Amino acid sequence: NAGVTQTPKFRVLKTGQSMTLLCAQDMNHEYMYWYRQDPGMGLRLIHYSVGEGTTAKGEVPDGYNVSRLKKQNFLLGLESAAPSQTSVYFCASSDAVARGGYEQYFGPGTRLTVT
Amino acid sequence: RKEVEQDPGPFNVPEGATVAFNCTYSNSASQSFFWYRQDCRKEPKLLMSVYSSGNEDGRFTAQLNRASQYISLLIRDSKLSDSATYLCVVSGAGGFKTIFGAGTRLFVKA
Repeated sequence: NAGVTQTPKFRVLKTGQSMTLLCAQDMNHEYMYWYRQDPGMGLRLIHYSVGEGTTAKGEVPDGYNVSRLKKQNFLLGLESAAPSQTSVYFCASSDAVARGGYEQYFGPGTRLTVT
Repeated sequence: RKEVEQDPGPFNVPEGATVAFNCTYSNSASQSFFWYRQDCRKEPKLLMSVYSSGNEDGRFTAQLNRASQYISLLIRDSKLSDSATYLCVVSGAGGFKTIFGAGTRLFVKA
């Protein structure tokens, strides 16, 4: 039982390049989330999903797209990377609220640098 | 005003000390409250949920004051292993509107 895994762990991009971050969870959780964490600002929600095939915008969605084609996977895409997207990206999952699933389980993070 | 505000820290305390973390939130409709712990360069992990009646887990005590929109975490008999950043987390209905505080860093020294 690996919990939440993220790929890759580190990445350096040049401005304008694109990439996809992959998140996978094996806990059969309904909800999945993508956050970014910057110094002094706490985690900020980028996008989230309440089930397979659904996505919604969070607090800071601009410049990112997401897809949830399978329940266990949540992909975060950067179409044209900018230096402002240098950050640590965390994926998280939780069970449905109806089942008391407020606790979020986090992956180990992806450290992205855009030069 | 930030939606969730925490003491900026860092806190430097000796082993065995009692340390208190404070957190305020601005949305009176918030429904769920948590403390997460984040070790350096690691992911956040749930430390404890916070209930209106207050709750305790070993050396850790969490309190919620809805009228004042205030949450606290008390750590008694601090250990070196308690050194980490403590995140105050507030959720609205449905759990999606989850706001993380910026965190307070704790250093426990021998």
